[in-house]
Order: sequence, then C-alpha cells, then structure tokens
Amino acid sequence: LAKTTQPISMDSYEGQEVNITCSHNNIATNDYITWYQQFPSQGPRFIIQGYKTKVTNEVASLFIPADRKSSTLSLPRVSLSDTAVYYCLVGDHQAGTALIFGKGTTLSVSS
Amino acid sequence: NAGVMQNPRHLVRRRGQEARLRCSPMKGHSHVYWYRQLPEEGLKFMVYLQKENIIDESGMPKERFSAEFPKEGPSILRIQQVVRGDSAAYFCASSPPGSQGNQPQHFGDGTRLSIL
Repeated sequence: LAKTTQPISMDSYEGQEVNITCSHNNIATNDYITWYQQFPSQGPRFIIQGYKTKVTNEVASLFIPADRKSSTLSLPRVSLSDTAVYYCLVGDHQAGTALIFGKGTTLSVSS
Repeated sequence: NAGVMQNPRHLVRRRGQEARLRCSPMKGHSHVYWYRQLPEEGLKFMVYLQKENIIDESGMPKERFSAEFPKEGPSILRIQQVVRGDSAAYFCASSPPGSQGNQPQHFGDGTRLSIL
C-alpha cells in the first residue's frame, strides 16, 4: 500500500482558501486517493475521492497531477468549523480493503 | 437514512472485566470494519467482517480480542480481561457489497473505552 506524507499542521483564517498537499510517490495503478475529515470525538467523515485530474464536490476540490505522485485537497473559504484533522489515504479501496491512516494534518482556523 | 451506529459511546471497565462494543452498519452495507485509535494517532485497522464471516483479522491482537457479525443483529467487538492499554477509541465502518473500487468506508462516531 502506498505510503503518504502530509504536513502535521496548518493554520488559516476564516474566509481563506486552504490547500493541503499529500505526497504518495509509490502510488499503484489501481489506487484511488481519498480524503477524510475528523473532528474531536467523532469518526472520520469522507470528504472526496479521485483517481486523476480534478474532482470537485460541494465541500472541496481535489487536484491530482498527471504523474499522480501527489494530490492537493482544496477547501474554499474555510470557516471555524473546518478546524479538524484531515487524512489523505491511498489504496484500491475495494470492498474489504483496510484503510491505512497516518497522523493526518491538523488544520486550525482562526477568526 | 441512518449512518453507522455504535454503542455505547462511552464505556468504563475495570481491569479484568469484559468489554462489548456494538456496531450497526448503514442500511444495505454488508461489510464491517473495526479500527482502534489512540490519542494523537491515526486509526489502525483491526478486523474486517461480512455477515457470519471474519475475512481479515490481521490487525487484531490474537489474545483477548474477538469480533463477530451475525446474520441478525449488530457486529460485536469483544475484549476479554481488559487491561489499561486497551483504553482507546474504537471505530466501526461499513461499506456496500460488491468488489468495485471507489467504495469509501463510512464511519460511526466510535466507542471510547476507558479502563480503570
């Protein structure tokens, strides 16, 4: 399974765009890139998933370059409630595949 | 549409007692996963089950831990003779049937187990 590297922490202010980059140099052909968000005392919440290029939903965008060795989660106009830990996961994510979580990126949003 | 339900949310046990954690997957999901999270750490996979079958228990300690997902009712993670090191948050996730990729797991809000 591909190992991921992401910053331990990031700080931002309300209304700013936040970009969190994840490195996954040994990503495999069948692997997807998935991001989860976790608030204290809650389970991880699925944010977005992609395979290549760009994916956008109502919450975030995911940018994946052609070589797929990294990806960037973009959160537009963050608010205080976006303060959380963000995990980047890489794997084929077929049913039955265990997810491998690192320590994630702790995003702190201030007013 | 209810999400993954776990209970209890908090569980306190004394050393040597048994802990039972329950998980009801999302409607229509037949795959259940259990993870453990220590403070300041990411989640660690423990076991993957389908109805009445343990498919992968490679992350579960060989001693004292067991899991089941019966034909009827919730999945149960059972810890016998608990020790202080078992204190953690235990999360359950579920995913729909099928073997296609692109199947995100959906998580419950966990059971926080404290051992006195």
